Amino acid sequence: QKEVEQNSGPLSVPEGAIASLNCTYSDRVSQSFFWYRQYSGKSPELIMSIYSNGDKEDGRFTAQLNKASQYVSLLIRDSQPSDSATYLCAVRAVGSGSARQLTFGSGTQLTVLP
Amino acid sequence: KAGVTQTPRYLIKTRGQQVTLSCSPISGHRSVSWYQQTPGQGLQFLFEYFSETQRNKGNFPGRFSGRQFSNSRSEMNVSTLELGDSALYLCASSPLAGGPDTQYFGPGTRLTVL
Repeated sequence: QKEVEQNSGPLSVPEGAIASLNCTYSDRVSQSFFWYRQYSGKSPELIMSIYSNGDKEDGRFTAQLNKASQYVSLLIRDSQPSDSATYLCAVRAVGSGSARQLTFGSGTQLTVLP
Repeated sequence: KAGVTQTPRYLIKTRGQQVTLSCSPISGHRSVSWYQQTPGQGLQFLFEYFSETQRNKGNFPGRFSGRQFSNSRSEMNVSTLELGDSALYLCASSPLAGGPDTQYFGPGTRLTVL
């Protein structure tokens, strides 16, 4: 049974600060990692995907993956009030059958204070 | 490209009834996955379809079923509704089954069971 754990929230940061969101996973065969943002009452929206160890940057967002430590994180630089949302970490193994399903963490609620 | 569409957006049913939800994937996407999201359990995988075949199924009772049509549109059905079935039902599409492909979510159908 794959498990995905996210740092407990809620997390509050002042506008302009760096928000750091963390996620650990239990299944070593996990190969694909995703961060989704979900505003209240809306569906999850993909922010980042990462497949290889290291950092991946996209605008103000940086995803970091360390497969040896089974750890993936999301950094949001210059946080804006519009970043206030729940951030969901999701992992999936490459392959067929049950390995393919996306397993989500419970989410971290981020509030960016003006 | 148009995104994933789901109909209806809102539904109110009573216990014991059945319900059918519909999902149209992004054009060209052949894989459709369904998820249930509740405040207590978070996002949980229901099933995945590819080329009209169920490829993967989550840990839900047999009251939950689905199918996919030749045009990749998918439906899910819940029979004998229970109060605990009240949730946001999300459909996600991806181009392929297998590989590190990304899933894109529709707006969801909010089901309320009275």
